[in-house]
Amino acid sequence: DARVTQTPRHKVTEMGQEVTMRCQPILGHNTVFWYRQTMMQGLELLAYFRNRAPLDDSGMPKDRFSAEMPDATLATLKIQPSEPRDSAVYFCASGSGDSGNTIYFGEGSWLTVV
Amino acid sequence: TQLLEQSPQFLSIQEGENLTVYCNSSSVFSSLQWYRQEPGEGPVLLVTVVTGGEVKKLKRLTFQFGDARKDSSLHITAAQPGDTGLYLCAGAPDSNYQLIWGAGTKLIIKP
Repeated sequence: DARVTQTPRHKVTEMGQEVTMRCQPILGHNTVFWYRQTMMQGLELLAYFRNRAPLDDSGMPKDRFSAEMPDATLATLKIQPSEPRDSAVYFCASGSGDSGNTIYFGEGSWLTVV
Repeated sequence: TQLLEQSPQFLSIQEGENLTVYCNSSSVFSSLQWYRQEPGEGPVLLVTVVTGGEVKKLKRLTFQFGDARKDSSLHITAAQPGDTGLYLCAGAPDSNYQLIWGAGTKLIIKP
């Protein structure tokens, strides 16, 4: 089965450290999303790309977060420096024009900043 | 700002009972999706409804899109413990993937 792959699955890091999360979208999908999920806020869209170009990153704190797509098979979300309030599950999702608005989620990267 | 209000936020019922989850908005959506998320996993798409008044069935789950395409419901008949999870609705204002997400309904089905 084609699936979105995320690494790491779990990460515990100290405040101030850099965190990089990686995502391999489903082959052929041209739209990639980064979401953050917390109990308090639910699912929040951080950024999304179409054909590797960033279309919207208004949901992302610009001072510490950055998202890139170096190539069609890799998306990255970086937090530098990390803070305890960044603790959350970060999901990558991908979709294609052929699937309408349907997007497919990865299993998430569970981040804890202590 | 477009919002999707989902209710109830939490529901715990006995196996065999029926339940309905609602997703409401004052905005029109071109389509609306329902996802189920299990602990430790990402949300998985259950269904997409596109046409006002559309009803889709997935085994014991019945999904309905409101006539005006502003609201949707998910009805589960004879709930099973395997239905336990977080149910999320997401509306698409247009076709550009900017989904608007509900806060989710945490459903627990007790054996």
